[in-house]
Amino acid sequence: AQSVTQPDIHITVSEGASLELRCNYSYGATPYLFWYVQSPGQGLQLLLKYFSGDTLVQGIKGFEAEFKRSQSSFNLRKPSVHWSDAAEYFCAVGINTGTASKLTFGTGTRLQVTL
Amino acid sequence: DAGVIQSPRHEVTEMGQEVTLRCKPISGHNSLFWYRQTMMRGLELLIYFNNNVPIDDSGMPEDRFSAKMPNASFSTLKIQPSEPRDSAVYFCASTTVRGGFQSTGELFFGEGSRLTVL
Repeated sequence: AQSVTQPDIHITVSEGASLELRCNYSYGATPYLFWYVQSPGQGLQLLLKYFSGDTLVQGIKGFEAEFKRSQSSFNLRKPSVHWSDAAEYFCAVGINTGTASKLTFGTGTRLQVTL
Repeated sequence: DAGVIQSPRHEVTEMGQEVTLRCKPISGHNSLFWYRQTMMRGLELLIYFNNNVPIDDSGMPEDRFSAKMPNASFSTLKIQPSEPRDSAVYFCASTTVRGGFQSTGELFFGEGSRLTVL
């Protein structure tokens, strides 16, 4: 079965600093990988996704992620964090069952941004 | 365009009562998912439907939980009887699936239903 590990439960960065959120996955085949963001009291919103091709993917709000097959990782990065980026971030791996598709989420990383 | 609509947004009930959560997916989407979010267990997939048919309900905790999708625009998640440990935020999400992730692969989430069972 597929699984996702986000080793950092909580991260604090200063506004303007760079950010990297870690994600490791376990899946036997080529994974479909996603990063979602959840603001307080809201549902999840897709930041970016990787299906195939270029291993560096760009997303919304200035985020990017790099797929590294050798490390089974899909880390999320942002060069300069804004206070509005404070939220919870979820990495997810998707599988195709043949009749439908589903995502398995990591436990999330809560990002706090200090001014 | 309207997103995924869930109701109620908040529900407080007493142990033993029946709870029904509702979801209207985005028009045209053919897959619907119910997730539960708690501090202890994170986001758990409970069940998902494809073209109104339940595909995988292995995440449903126990027989007290049931889900239906009578048509493409409506789904319910029912808990009967409810217990305090069912307190969580329940999310509904929808997407379009054609041949797996050959579509966008993106799930569109509702804002969730926060359930508190006393």
